[in-house]
Amino acid sequence: DTGVSQDPRHKITKRGQNVTFRCDPISEHNRLYWYRQTLGQGPEFLTYFQNEAQLEKSRLLSDRFSAERPKGSFSTLEIQRTEQGDSAMYLCASSRLAGAVNEQFFGPGTRLTVL
Amino acid sequence: GQNIDQPTEMTATEGAIVQINCTYQTSGFNGLFWYQQHAGEAPTFLSYNVLDGLEEKGRFSSFLSRSKGYSYLLLKELQMKDSASYLCAVKSSGTYKYIFGTGTRLKVLA
Repeated sequence: DTGVSQDPRHKITKRGQNVTFRCDPISEHNRLYWYRQTLGQGPEFLTYFQNEAQLEKSRLLSDRFSAERPKGSFSTLEIQRTEQGDSAMYLCASSRLAGAVNEQFFGPGTRLTVL
Repeated sequence: GQNIDQPTEMTATEGAIVQINCTYQTSGFNGLFWYQQHAGEAPTFLSYNVLDGLEEKGRFSSFLSRSKGYSYLLLKELQMKDSASYLCAVKSSGTYKYIFGTGTRLKVLA
């Protein structure tokens, strides 16, 4: 059981640059979530995929953020024209579609620093 | 609006019992989750409540009262390794997203 993996673990970029993060969920999990977490706060929901379909996106998410899950397996999150306020930990989580509990399994996160 | 409230910090002694409260206001309710997050690490699942009452899991128990919009996480026989943030999260009905509280940072002292 390999768990949820994310790449890279750390990213430092200059303001205005584009960045892309990857998430590989647990293989049999249909549900995939992206969250953003800043220091002292809980994870903030960004978007949700069920298989390859993006079914929900936070209204707080600007159009600089886009996510894909092209084959219903791995997912990518892209941030265009990064701003210093984008500095945060970006967490990916996956869960099963079926089952009573549907607990989410989180990846280790990608820590983004925008200079 | 949707809101989850938890105390910011709590301190307890090794071997003691601590109760971490969570109150929520959400549009519809479809389950409440507790996660543990050690500093610099990802959250890990602890417990789930969807019906009123107590769910027990070893040293950890979680309680839910839907009519009061209230839950608590009870940690017994505290160990130093229990020092972490404890996140309360609610799944609203009619949406796929989970709303997380800011977390309660628990310090366990020797």
